[in-house]
Amino acid sequence: AQTVTQSQPEMSVQEAETVTLSCTYDTSESDYYLFWYKQPPSRQMILVIRQEAYKQQNATENRFSVNFQKAAKSFSLKISDSQLGDAAMYFCAYRSYDTGANSKLTFGKGITLSVRP
Amino acid sequence: NAGVTQTPKFRILKIGQSMTLQCTQDMNHNYMYWYRQDPGMGLKLIYYSVGAGITDKGEVPNGYNVSRSTTEDFPLRLELAAPSQTSVYFCASTPRALTTDTQYFGPGTRLTVL
Repeated sequence: AQTVTQSQPEMSVQEAETVTLSCTYDTSESDYYLFWYKQPPSRQMILVIRQEAYKQQNATENRFSVNFQKAAKSFSLKISDSQLGDAAMYFCAYRSYDTGANSKLTFGKGITLSVRP
Repeated sequence: NAGVTQTPKFRILKIGQSMTLQCTQDMNHNYMYWYRQDPGMGLKLIYYSVGAGITDKGEVPNGYNVSRSTTEDFPLRLELAAPSQTSVYFCASTPRALTTDTQYFGPGTRLTVL
C-alpha cells in the first residue's frame, strides 16, 4: 500500500516571500500521479498542481511549482510571491496508474500554511 | 455546470439515527468517491463507484452503504450513527482512471454524532 507523509504540521511565510512545503511518499509502483490540493477555511478541496511520475520535468502553475525527485520519492511544493489568499491547509496526494479502488487518492495529513502580512 | 454538489452542509445526529448524504455531479463522470476527513488528518476513502450499478469498498467502509442507480447520483447511507462517524464527508468525481484527470470535490458535509 502507498503512504504519503507530510512531516511539517504548520508553516508560516511572510507575504511576497517564497515557501516550500515538503512531502514524501512510499510506493513500489513505477507509474503514478502526484497532486497538491489546497483546502481553505471553506473546506473546498482545490487542485493546485499535478505531476505525472514518468515526466522528469517539474510541473509549474503560475506561482506554484514542484520539485519532484522520483528516486528519493519526494514531491515538494514551492509557492513564490506568497499572498494572503494562499493561507490554507495543503495536502499532498498520490494516485496509482490503475483502475478501481487504486484510482483513489491517498492523502498526507496536511500542512497548515499561514501568511503574515 | 454546478460540478459536484453535496447536501446537507451540516448535520447533527443522535447515536443510532440514520441519514443519507446526497452527492450529485453534472459532468457525466464515471468514477465517484466518498471520503471522510477526520480532524488533523487527510481524507480516507469510504466507497467508490466506477459507473452506474457498480460500487465497491474503500479503506474505511464499516458503518456505511452506497448505491449508484444513475451516473449523476452517489448517495452515502449511515444506518446506525456512532460518535466515531463524526467527520467531514467529501464526495468527488473524475471522468476516467489511468489519466491525470483531477478529482473534482464537492464542498463537504460536516456531520456530528452526539
